[in-house]
Amino acid sequence: EVQLLESGGGLVQPGGSLRLSCAASGFTFSSYAMTWVRQAPGKGLEWVSSISQSGGTTFYPDSMKGRFTISRDNSKNTLYLQMNSLRAEDTAVYYCAKLSASQCYDYWGQGTLVTVSS
Amino acid sequence: QSALTQPPSASGSPGQSVTISCTGSSTDVGNYNYVSWYQQHPGKAPKLMIYEVNKRPSGVPDRFSGSKSGNTASLSVSGLQAEDEADYYCSSNAGSNRVFGGGTKLTVL
Repeated sequence: EVQLLESGGGLVQPGGSLRLSCAASGFTFSSYAMTWVRQAPGKGLEWVSSISQSGGTTFYPDSMKGRFTISRDNSKNTLYLQMNSLRAEDTAVYYCAKLSASQCYDYWGQGTLVTVSS
Repeated sequence: QSALTQPPSASGSPGQSVTISCTGSSTDVGNYNYVSWYQQHPGKAPKLMIYEVNKRPSGVPDRFSGSKSGNTASLSVSGLQAEDEADYYCSSNAGSNRVFGGGTKLTVL
């Protein structure tokens, strides 16, 4: 059974940093690209970042470039998201998701809440 | 990277059919057959319902179907059931990026 378990969310002050983790199990982690998607309270889904199977290629929307860094450790079956210079508008539930060969997100974690507030 | 356009709401009575549209551009929906749809119940993670425009993952009822014409993709739900009431999001490749629709709240009357 595929499982994705996010952790690392919490309350952080504006300008602060946070690192999210996503522990994967039930599939060959190193064979699949992975992604982070976020959802602000009461809002829709927003793509945050994606990373290739090896970790050698990363993708970000223009709005996230420079502040967010996605990475992975295939030896630990874990995906990461380093978030710096956090702003109030980064407040959201952050989901990790497995990217299938058909370019869709076929499995999702339960999400971890990040709250940016003073 | 603009979001795909979905109607904010849709509704239908039990047993009826409803279609939700997802309009993009020639750089996303119109250029790729990698359109997918997700169902999200309150407080839950999204669930994949349709991928590659019109394919259903194992376990998704065949009441759910997808299609695409030009820059617009659509999700159709036939034989509406109470448990279909949820938010629905479309998504597409956009070059090396990914883009979601704003979401549609489906209400079963």
